[in-house]
Amino acid sequence: AQKVTQAQTEISVVEKEDVTLDCVYETRDTTYYLFWYKQPPSGELVFLIRRNSFDEQNEISGRYSWNFQKSTSSFNFTITASQVVDSAVYFCALSELTNTGNQFYFGTGTSLTVIP
Amino acid sequence: EAQVTQNPRYLITVTGKKLTVTCSQNMNHEYMSWYRQDPGLGLRQIYYSMNVEVTDKGDVPEGYKVSRKEKRNFPLILESPSPNQTSLYFCASSFRQLNYEQYFGPGTRLTVT
Repeated sequence: AQKVTQAQTEISVVEKEDVTLDCVYETRDTTYYLFWYKQPPSGELVFLIRRNSFDEQNEISGRYSWNFQKSTSSFNFTITASQVVDSAVYFCALSELTNTGNQFYFGTGTSLTVIP
Repeated sequence: EAQVTQNPRYLITVTGKKLTVTCSQNMNHEYMSWYRQDPGLGLRQIYYSMNVEVTDKGDVPEGYKVSRKEKRNFPLILESPSPNQTSLYFCASSFRQLNYEQYFGPGTRLTVT
């Protein structure tokens, strides 16, 4: 079973619209971390945010905001007033601690296209 | 400049011909990891290493080997590549603690014919 599910494969929005990217995760651990990464058309992976399992505070960074809800095992990402430069594939990831380190699980990604 | 480097960036090879993709970081990170990215499947972890001589399997280790003899290097070895290993490979590194984000290399596009 997928440990990280990003059900939205592709999303298209018109510039300046708000858009929310969904992420649902599955873990039995009490300590874990969640991440969002951005992969623009150029291909590199860019870190956006990390959140630990004990911190359910929402976070806002400019036009980006994240909503972490343990009750629903979700870590959703909202872009406000989207811009063309936001067009990219966005990955949600879960990190669990093992005896030998951290094992990471990525979702399948959501491809966002912002239309000018 | 802090970075993760991978070589080669592009490689076309034939089935069964052993190859190594190198990964090196200059940030003194303890943790290093390899991923493969395939359309519709996202990134999947192949192997990870918490420190020198400490490695473990990720989600899709079959057909791959790694070694961690030095802190800065984490090569990915394909002893007998097969066409299903055609993929985009990323190396990443981070500090040891769980809450540190990973820095990714630029990727290596491998084609096995």
